[in-house]
Amino acid sequence: AQKITQTQPGMFVQEKEAVTLDCTYDTSDQSYGLFWYKQPSSGEMIFLIYQGSYDEQNATEGRYSLNFQKARKSANLVISASQLGDSAMYFCAMREGADKIIFGKGTRLHILP
Amino acid sequence: GAVVSQHPSWVICKSGTSVKIECRSLDFQATTMFWYRQFPKQSLMLMATSNEGSKATYEQGVEKDKFLINHASLTLSTLTVTSAHPEDSSFYICSADELAGSYNEQFFGPGTRLTVL
Repeated sequence: AQKITQTQPGMFVQEKEAVTLDCTYDTSDQSYGLFWYKQPSSGEMIFLIYQGSYDEQNATEGRYSLNFQKARKSANLVISASQLGDSAMYFCAMREGADKIIFGKGTRLHILP
Repeated sequence: GAVVSQHPSWVICKSGTSVKIECRSLDFQATTMFWYRQFPKQSLMLMATSNEGSKATYEQGVEKDKFLINHASLTLSTLTVTSAHPEDSSFYICSADELAGSYNEQFFGPGTRLTVL
């Protein structure tokens, strides 16, 4: 079974609109971390935001926020006021304890001018 | 944030040759490094976990004799693709662990694009 599920292979969003990228996860661990990474066409992996399983508040980093719904095992990324430079591949990932990071299949986001 | 470098950034080689890729943590010590492979339009697939001073732990389906990993120091891990074939052509990315506050954050290298002719 997949540990990380991203159901949106691709999305098209108008510039300046907010966008939500979906991510659900599967774990039986109590201690885990959830990550979002951005991968532009250059290939580099850019860390965006982190949410710990014990964090009570949703994580925010500038225009990025993570909508953490623990009971639903959901960790959606919200990008406010999207910009053309946000066009990229976005990966949701999870780490159980201090173990390896597992990635979802990704969502390709296209921002339209 | 912490910086991880990879060398080379791209390499083209003939089938049957071996290729070595270096991964360095530039401003921190990394007891654990990870090697990923990414085929076009796909996600990152973990190949192996590299621990300083010990043998690497390979994921299921990854041939340890073909993908040799050495983690000789706290700042350097190398991946050697032995007897490379065209199907080994891929984007190889390393990452390194750093303790950051209450969580372990992995920092990624810029990747190495391998093309085997």
